[in-house]
Amino acid sequence: RKEVEQDPGPFNVPEGATVAFNCTYSNSASQSFFWYRQDCRKEPKLLMSVYSSGNEDGRFTAQLNRASQYISLLIRDSKLSDSATYLCVVNMLNTDKLIFGTGTRLQVFP
Amino acid sequence: DAGVTQSPTHLIKTRGQHVTLRCSPISGHKSVSWYQQVLGQGPQFIFQYYEKEERGRGNFPDRFSARQFPNYSSELNVNALLLGDSALYLCASSHPDHSDSYNSPLHFGNGTRLTVT
Repeated sequence: RKEVEQDPGPFNVPEGATVAFNCTYSNSASQSFFWYRQDCRKEPKLLMSVYSSGNEDGRFTAQLNRASQYISLLIRDSKLSDSATYLCVVNMLNTDKLIFGTGTRLQVFP
Repeated sequence: DAGVTQSPTHLIKTRGQHVTLRCSPISGHKSVSWYQQVLGQGPQFIFQYYEKEERGRGNFPDRFSARQFPNYSSELNVNALLLGDSALYLCASSHPDHSDSYNSPLHFGNGTRLTVT
């Protein structure tokens, strides 16, 4: 079983739609959680950290469910520029090693 | 301020050769990590260095080695290249402080795209 699992997609949605991605992780010792965004042939960039209480940044909302070991990302009012691969990332207690999922590809169309 | 810089941007090597990839972290960042990203997969952790000491190592063979220099720049070396080593190699830096050293966000460079033929 992969340590971090994501649906690879692609998710094809029209502009203005709301889309949600889920991610599950296998190690209950995971401590920190992030969503990174990666554009085609570019480097990953931090989108947002994920906190236990849930957090929001503009159109983006991240949720963490430790009991079920899953993380979600909700994107409201999708823009064409949101088209990218979204990587779910966890790291373990007291390590600097980030574990990435394979990513979920989002394509927003006009 | 300059971001994380990596060189070269692209590289083509043949099986059996060795390669050295270079990374300069963001000014003031003391931690450098290396990741390998094969097409269609997420990045896989290779190494992390902090203050010139190896702080973590992923599940990669001994053909992979790295080091960090006094100016915090880093090199990743891969010997006896295999076709399967073809990937995007990403370097990331972070500036962990004492209070929250394991939650510092990573800043990635543009990567070095290595093709082994």
